[in-house]
Amino acid sequence: NAGVMQNPRHLVRRRGQEARLRCSPMKGHSHVYWYRQLPEEGLKFMVYLQKENIIDESGMPKERFSAEFPKEGPSILRIQQVVRGDSAAYFCASSPGGENSPLHFGNGTRLTVT
Amino acid sequence: AQTVTQSQPEMSVQEAETVTLSCTYDTSESDYYLFWYKQPPSRQMILVIRQEAYKQQNATENRFSVNFQKAAKSFSLKISDSQLGDAAMYFCAYRSSTYSGAGSYQLTFGKGTKLSVIP
Repeated sequence: NAGVMQNPRHLVRRRGQEARLRCSPMKGHSHVYWYRQLPEEGLKFMVYLQKENIIDESGMPKERFSAEFPKEGPSILRIQQVVRGDSAAYFCASSPGGENSPLHFGNGTRLTVT
Repeated sequence: AQTVTQSQPEMSVQEAETVTLSCTYDTSESDYYLFWYKQPPSRQMILVIRQEAYKQQNATENRFSVNFQKAAKSFSLKISDSQLGDAAMYFCAYRSSTYSGAGSYQLTFGKGTKLSVIP
């Protein structure tokens, strides 16, 4: 059973470009979470999605950031008009749902904005 | 809002020895979950151990065990018989137990402790 798959592993974007980060959850998992890790910091929650629904986006910046988890295909975290401060590692986690379900994390995408 | 504090940015341990990583947290809730995650240089977040707050017994997973002191809001991780493969960043994390609106499924992480294992 493949784990949570994130791609690309590394992404370099110039300021003002768009970044698209993809996450395929584990098989059978319908709950997806995105976290951001700044250098020397722990992970910080961004958004929680179920298929076709955003459940909690309280950690998402109000502008330029959006996330989706369509009925078919991976979850996408989209950052428009990237700035240097967006440089970080972005992690996706999935779970089958339910209060006792642990999160399974992917290996993250390291975004570098030049 | 909950906060998680890891007061040791770096620790080192001799191979085969025992090391304890500290974690304290702040919450007004009575039910919650606590976790320790390991992040090796590969960057993957690996769940090491978890503890439900309503359980008094400390969780144990092979060489890893916790000392959970609910009244003191302390959740330390003990690694016994340390191995070279244990070298990594270790993150303590908190999660609410019941759905109470926005934020209840979020994990709140500490800043991490970098563990080095000396051969």
